[in-house]
Amino acid sequence: ETGVTQTPRHLVMGMTNKKSLKCEQHLGHNAMYWYKQSAKKPLELMFVYSLEERVENNSVPSRFSPECPNSSHLFLHLHTLQPEDSALYLCASSQEARTLEAFFGQGTRLTVV
Amino acid sequence: GIQVEQSPPDLILQEGANSTLRCNFSDSVNNLQWFHQNPWGQLINLFYIPSGTKQNGRLSATTVATERYSLLYISSSQTTDSGVYFCAVYGMSYGQNFVFGPGTRLSVLP
Repeated sequence: ETGVTQTPRHLVMGMTNKKSLKCEQHLGHNAMYWYKQSAKKPLELMFVYSLEERVENNSVPSRFSPECPNSSHLFLHLHTLQPEDSALYLCASSQEARTLEAFFGQGTRLTVV
Repeated sequence: GIQVEQSPPDLILQEGANSTLRCNFSDSVNNLQWFHQNPWGQLINLFYIPSGTKQNGRLSATTVATERYSLLYISSSQTTDSGVYFCAVYGMSYGQNFVFGPGTRLSVLP
């Protein structure tokens, strides 16, 4: 248990579906992140939130829409995904953005069919 | 941006053997972490070590920031050590992201 919890653990969705991934951190951190890990590729940073404001968006397609309603919760809303979006999506948090130690959740394994 | 390399890419050990994993980075860093990714995908924090040496049981890590590398030592390896080991760094230049290396895949055989 790392203090960062992601749900669901597994998700299968069709290309026309809309779904959301949820991340919750119990560490009192101010920064939260979404990462994508595709097969045989390094982890890619998608979004960074600091104190509920988005501070980084690494050219992610608009079919991925993040939401950070407060410093403890982070969502990734998904719509009209493509099969190549199938990957492990990891959430992380740290005390401040871009510094100090980051802690990761268990990940959501997403399959788009 | 900062580049991170890890070696070796793959490592197969017999249970009980020792190993050293290396992480090289191309710029000055203010954060370096080692992670173990288990078969279920979770990234487990091993060390937060921007400089110096730390030990935790059979694992230890050393970062020589001035020479831009870090080493992870695993002694008396066990089958549960199998998985992928990543190092990740934050560059000191503002705006640099937390960049992961490609990982070392370790297989420990019984």
